[in-house]
Amino acid sequence: GAVVSQHPSRVICKSGTSVKIECRSLDFQATTMFWYRQFPKQSLMLMATSNEGSKATYEQGVEKDKFLINHASLTLSTLTVTSAHPEDSSFYICSARNRGNTEAFFGQGTRLTVV
Amino acid sequence: GENVGLHLPTLSVQEGDNSIINCAYSNSASDYFIWYKQESGKGPQFIIDIRSNMDKRQGQRVTVLLNKTVKHLSLQIAATQPGDSAVYFCAENGYYKLSFGAGTTVTVRA
Repeated sequence: GAVVSQHPSRVICKSGTSVKIECRSLDFQATTMFWYRQFPKQSLMLMATSNEGSKATYEQGVEKDKFLINHASLTLSTLTVTSAHPEDSSFYICSARNRGNTEAFFGQGTRLTVV
Repeated sequence: GENVGLHLPTLSVQEGDNSIINCAYSNSASDYFIWYKQESGKGPQFIIDIRSNMDKRQGQRVTVLLNKTVKHLSLQIAATQPGDSAVYFCAENGYYKLSFGAGTTVTVRA
């Protein structure tokens, strides 16, 4: 399958700071990328969907000003958690696919801990 | 996910036995489903997919069955191995979003 690289795999930051997570498709063009958050022993909760060159579509209840998503190229999307707080601590996962209704591939996930 | 759910949260299976994981969906227009395996601390890994024009699809040791009449799909793992211990998710891969069900934790007993 295609490879999606997510970086960093782990990050610890202080409360009030911002953290940027990168998601790259290494061997295909990702017209669509998805960002998920996953709490322990729970399923993946879709936060937002981003299409290359356009604004992200956020799920209900997800603050777009807090979780900034940029999908400026066909191989890179970034998620920035702004003014992070301890309750933002979670496992963040990105997924990418080439076009609608095709197979989606996942990154390795980023464990964010806000102290 | 809003359209996809699982019947059982946990499954314990003896090594060598077959495993069956079930999933129900609510949107009759859904036409593409994917099964993922997630190991602790990692991102989901693609296992197998199926589109609505098929009832059954087989991979290596895995089979997915789709029953559109009752909006149900299942993942069968043959000769379950210790390395199969993980959380399994079914997902609806719609045109606009990829939605996940609750997940089933599979534990393989030696």
